Amino acid sequence: EAGVAQSPRYKIIEKRQSVAFWCNPISGHATLYWYQQILGQGPKLLIQFQNNGVVDDSQLPKDRFSAERLKGVDSTLKIQPAKLEDSAVYLCASSVDVVAGLFFGSGTQLSVL
Amino acid sequence: KNQVEQSPQSLIILEGKNCTLQCNYTVSPFSNLRWYKQDTGRGPVSLTIMTFSENTKSNGRYTATLDADTKQSSLHITASQLSDSASYICVVSVLGGSQGNLIFGKGTKLSVKP
Repeated sequence: EAGVAQSPRYKIIEKRQSVAFWCNPISGHATLYWYQQILGQGPKLLIQFQNNGVVDDSQLPKDRFSAERLKGVDSTLKIQPAKLEDSAVYLCASSVDVVAGLFFGSGTQLSVL
Repeated sequence: KNQVEQSPQSLIILEGKNCTLQCNYTVSPFSNLRWYKQDTGRGPVSLTIMTFSENTKSNGRYTATLDADTKQSSLHITASQLSDSASYICVVSVLGGSQGNLIFGKGTKLSVKP
């Protein structure tokens, strides 16, 4: 079974630039999450999708972050414009049910200079 | 406020030795608790899941315990290997919540030295 795929693995940008991350969840997983993990901390939920609908985006900084999950499969997370404090690893995860739990991708490491 | 506290923040042990990582939580209502292993540059991978009624659960050399009364969990690693070097994250799920109602600890960074 293929895992959660994310790209790119690394991204370096300057502040005020834009960046986009892509995620392909495990086939059949209806729920998809984007997490932000700052160095030395646990992941923080940014947004949760159920199929192509948003379940929870309460911690998403909507003035600069946006996410979509067209057709209920792949998802993209965008930051525009980026700030220095956005430097972090952005993890995508998918799940099929509560018992199975979350399956994480390898993440995208973003450095904002 | 729902919180998960892990200790120690970091730990260095010699290969072959045992170690125990701690997780204290103040999450209510409690649904389950998972321990994840996160290798450097990778996403977290689930090691164990424990529900309210479970006290101990093993996965190879990893043994997790749960005391629902004191709201404490531990992860014991036996006969450590170099590949055990990683961050270990305790995650508590809120009962009745969606998968998004997960409270993450900050993790314990374990380094196993030869």
